[in-house]
Amino acid sequence: DPKIIQKPKYLVAVTGSEKILICEQYLGHNAMYWYRQSAKKPLEFMFSYSYQKLMDNQTASSRFQPQSSKKNHLDLQITALKPDDSATYFCASSPRKISNERLFFGHGTKLSVL
Amino acid sequence: GEQVEQRPPHLSVREGDSAFITCTYTDPNSYYFFWYKQEPGASLQLLMKVFSSTEINEGQGFTVLLNKKDKRLSLNLTAAHPGDSAAYFCAVSQNYGGSGNKLIFGTGTLLSVKP
Repeated sequence: DPKIIQKPKYLVAVTGSEKILICEQYLGHNAMYWYRQSAKKPLEFMFSYSYQKLMDNQTASSRFQPQSSKKNHLDLQITALKPDDSATYFCASSPRKISNERLFFGHGTKLSVL
Repeated sequence: GEQVEQRPPHLSVREGDSAFITCTYTDPNSYYFFWYKQEPGASLQLLMKVFSSTEINEGQGFTVLLNKKDKRLSLNLTAAHPGDSAAYFCAVSQNYGGSGNKLIFGTGTLLSVKP
């Protein structure tokens, strides 16, 4: 029974379109994150949120916009999609946003941009 | 910024053999270290978290060694079995209060354990 739900599991998009990746966690955690895993790079940190506030943004492009409508939600909107955006996007959470806490990961959304 | 190098990228061993994976990092401010396992099509699962230097940490069927002097973190799967086949990632977190949990991941090791 997954506690971090990511939707959809697979997503195919055309170049230039816009997609939203959904993430909901039912662990009661206060911190949520997005990571990206592509074929060319290791897992990369993208964003961190704590109590629905953006804490850290390591994504150079403004095409990536996290959205937190509820404490246990952190969606990722991607606009003007490019083939290089193809990757698996992992949502994660932790009880608090401090260095020594483990992260719990969702199963990922695999995005393919044609 | 921190850079984490993980070796080897691919590793194939026979059942019962040991599998050894190493990560080296660059930032001396790195303070917390993690090993994650990712089975095909699944999410990352934590194997172990360590922060004490030159301490051998034992888990179920594996040991983790952290050497802060050499900036090296290693994972040794002892007596590997086919269920250990997965991708393994090391991750490093720095002890900056405002930047906590910005994990820097290694490039991963794809382990295959053959019967």
